Amino acid sequence: QMNLQESGPGRVRPSETLSLICTVSGDSMTRYFWSWIRQTAGGGLEWIGRISVSGITNYNPSLKSRISMSVDTSKNQFSLKMTSLTSADTAIFYCARGTYELWSFDYWGPGTLVTVSS
Amino acid sequence: QSALAQPLSVSGSPGQSVSISCTGSGRDVGDYNYVSWYQQQPGKAPKLLIYDVNKRPSGVSNRFSGSKSGNTASLIISGLQPDDEADYFCCSYTGGFTWVFGGGTKLTVL
Repeated sequence: QMNLQESGPGRVRPSETLSLICTVSGDSMTRYFWSWIRQTAGGGLEWIGRISVSGITNYNPSLKSRISMSVDTSKNQFSLKMTSLTSADTAIFYCARGTYELWSFDYWGPGTLVTVSS
Repeated sequence: QSALAQPLSVSGSPGQSVSISCTGSGRDVGDYNYVSWYQQQPGKAPKLLIYDVNKRPSGVSNRFSGSKSGNTASLIISGLQPDDEADYFCCSYTGGFTWVFGGGTKLTVL
């Protein structure tokens, strides 16, 4: 059974950089791609980006200048960095598994709340 | 990349059927048959309900079905049950390994 778990700081100050890690267990990372998705206070979901196990990335054009993703298959982890945070970035951040067969996100972590506040 | 348009809320009585629409453009829903739907219960992560417009993952009830016409996809829930009360999100592939979600629809079972 695939499990994903996000970890991160919980609170970040405005203008600082957010770093999140997703730890994957229960299956190999190899056959899938890996995404970050966030949910703001308004309730909508926003796709942030994806990374393949070979490190190829694709980002949401509206966030591209502020984000970077990396993967470490030896640790079964992938990560997100988001710079220049503002209060508008306060959200629940989810990591999710994407499949090339389903072209959708079939496993999600429970989510981690990140609050941007001084 | 604009969010897909969904109604804010829909409602129905137990046993009835409801439909939730998801309207995009020719650059997403209209151009790809990679529309997926997710159910989110309060305080939980979203759960995949439908992929490739109308396919169900193993374990998802056949009361959930999907369809697409032009730039609009739809999720149909038949035989409404109290447990179906949740938020529902659509998602479309937009090319180049990018995706866009809808704003979400709150389903109330009366």
